[in-house]
Amino acid sequence: SQQGEEDPQALSIQEGENATMNCSYKTSINNLQWYRQNSGRGLVHLILIRSNEREKHSGRLRVTLDTSKKSSSLLITASRAADTASYFCATDRGNSGYSTLTFGKGTMLLVSP
Amino acid sequence: GAVVSQHPSRVICKSGTSVKIECRSLDFQATTMFWYRQFPKKSLMLMATSNEGSKATYEQGVEKDKFLINHASLTLSTLTVTSAHPEDSSFYICSAYLQAKEKLFFGSGTQLSVL
Repeated sequence: SQQGEEDPQALSIQEGENATMNCSYKTSINNLQWYRQNSGRGLVHLILIRSNEREKHSGRLRVTLDTSKKSSSLLITASRAADTASYFCATDRGNSGYSTLTFGKGTMLLVSP
Repeated sequence: GAVVSQHPSRVICKSGTSVKIECRSLDFQATTMFWYRQFPKKSLMLMATSNEGSKATYEQGVEKDKFLINHASLTLSTLTVTSAHPEDSSFYICSAYLQAKEKLFFGSGTQLSVL
């Protein structure tokens, strides 16, 4: 079963606004990753946060991780129409010698001009 | 950056035929590749882990005789949907793990439509 659960399922905002997506998971993890998927395309890795990290930034992206609550959030600041996509969190238990990620159901973000 | 090429991007076939999907890591070697299935507006469901030179590891509920995986080289894994039926219609995505970057790199996906 899918470990990550994102909310909201869908988010519609105006350009320039910030978008916040949340992810909850159930078991202990080695790291948590966020991916973006444009419609009908593969996924693109956005950012990885390790279990011993609490916050990470990359450009307009800010990710937080709260292992006590088993949750993470992805903030996209000053959103653009080009940010329109589905965003997935994925948890990596890191116990296989290679990465086997479990993906959440995703948040569909629509940024209107 | 690392690139994973998946081909074809779209295929339409008749019921009963077999379809082969290729996944290539273009600029790195991948001993492990993954195959996923995604339904519209749904998450990715891991189907199997493809290991170079050995048998694939299938997730529970995935028929290994239905979805044949071959990983004959460090840069190529193939997924063959055998005797396809309309219920096999879906978006199939592959990925390859690059240990040095602790990242999965994804192919662009294959939309399979079985008539």
